[in-house]
Amino acid sequence: GNSVTQMEGPVTLSEEAFLTINCTYTATGYPSLFWYVQYPGEGLQLLLKATKADDKGSNKGFEATYRKETTSFHLEKGSVQVSDSAVYFCALSGSARQLTFGSGTQLTVLP
Amino acid sequence: NAGVMQNPRHLVRRRGQEARLRCSPMKGHSHVYWYRQLPEEGLKFMVYLQKENIIDESGMPKERFSAEFPKEGPSILRIQQVVRGDSAAYFCASSPGDRYYEQYFGPGTRLTVT
Repeated sequence: GNSVTQMEGPVTLSEEAFLTINCTYTATGYPSLFWYVQYPGEGLQLLLKATKADDKGSNKGFEATYRKETTSFHLEKGSVQVSDSAVYFCALSGSARQLTFGSGTQLTVLP
Repeated sequence: NAGVMQNPRHLVRRRGQEARLRCSPMKGHSHVYWYRQLPEEGLKFMVYLQKENIIDESGMPKERFSAEFPKEGPSILRIQQVVRGDSAAYFCASSPGDRYYEQYFGPGTRLTVT
């Protein structure tokens, strides 16, 4: 079946530092890949997506590239802000139309 | 353009009671998904519904849990005879029929069983 493995947290960075959160997946066929962000006490918000190999999703300074050869979809941001502190979830959607999530990575950005 | 709405946001039930969680999808969305998030874990798929149909309930526990999405009104996730292990955040998501891979989430219902 489908599965998503993402970098365990928590991750603590200083403001303006570079962020990478690793995500790898196992899936049959050609899944779509997503990053969701969850702020404290809130639901998940779609951050970015990529639907085919070599696509780059980007939003709010975050980027991730769909790498089929390494089955990866790592999240990056060049300069994080305090307001980026949240839990980040990598997810995939295959033919079953359900999302399969990683376990989440807690990010804390210090001023 | 209202997003996905869930109510109640917080629900406390004693062991053995019933819990009813409601979800109103985004306007124009006809597909609803329910996920459960246990403490310190990611979300796990429970069930996928379209209007008046359960499409995939492969993630739903076999007993005590049921879901519906009637022709009129919100989708309901029902948990009978709740136990402490049912304490979790339950999230609903919706998608338009032709873009099932884009799911928009509600704020969740946090169920506490005492």
